[in-house]
Amino acid sequence: GAVVSQHPSRVICKSGTSVKIECRSLDFQATTMFWYRQFPKQSLMLMATSNEGSKATYEQGVEKDKFLINHASLTLSTLTVTSAHPEDSSFYICSAGKAAGGLSYEQYFGPGTRLTVT
Amino acid sequence: KQEVTQIPAALSVPEGENLVLNCSFTDSAIYNLQWFRQDPGKGLTSLLLIQSSQREQTSGRLNASLDKSSGRSTLYIAASQPGDSATYLCAGGKAAGNKLTFGGGTRVLVKP
Repeated sequence: GAVVSQHPSRVICKSGTSVKIECRSLDFQATTMFWYRQFPKQSLMLMATSNEGSKATYEQGVEKDKFLINHASLTLSTLTVTSAHPEDSSFYICSAGKAAGGLSYEQYFGPGTRLTVT
Repeated sequence: KQEVTQIPAALSVPEGENLVLNCSFTDSAIYNLQWFRQDPGKGLTSLLLIQSSQREQTSGRLNASLDKSSGRSTLYIAASQPGDSATYLCAGGKAAGNKLTFGGGTRVLVKP
């Protein structure tokens, strides 16, 4: 199998505080994980690519100091939203890449984390 | 830069009718093409993955085709059921380990 979990599934925080979201690949190792953001009734927007043991690669327009990514092991990547504001409220989804032999490669997605900043 | 488009944005069909969902992409140098299902407030469930060397994949009532030369992929769902109601997303990957570019999705409603 290829299961990816996220924790927490829902979080409500006050404006100005920081929130950490965890993404874990439960039954496989992932050298690369991806963080996406999704606004209501819109598609997924890639925020950054998380590489184990190295710095994350952020997409244009995404503030690296606001969205801190750490990929400390082959099964865990974390996204920390620092000094959160109401406009950061969104659905955050991670994915983990798994090579399946030969040229096969597939991303598996977590269940998402609903962040609400009050 | 890869751009992925899904048309229509929304689709409503009576139960039992076949569904045809379209996905087009601008860069034919695609590594693979994935179709996902997303229920409201939930994450993504992978439905089918087509490698660039393949032309189609099938799983149960689902069949997805890939035509790189025309930049198109189509997801067919046979004999639709109310439980098929969801948003369907396609995404193209440029290389192994590389990011996926998502289309805007097609919201499907299957009416009993």
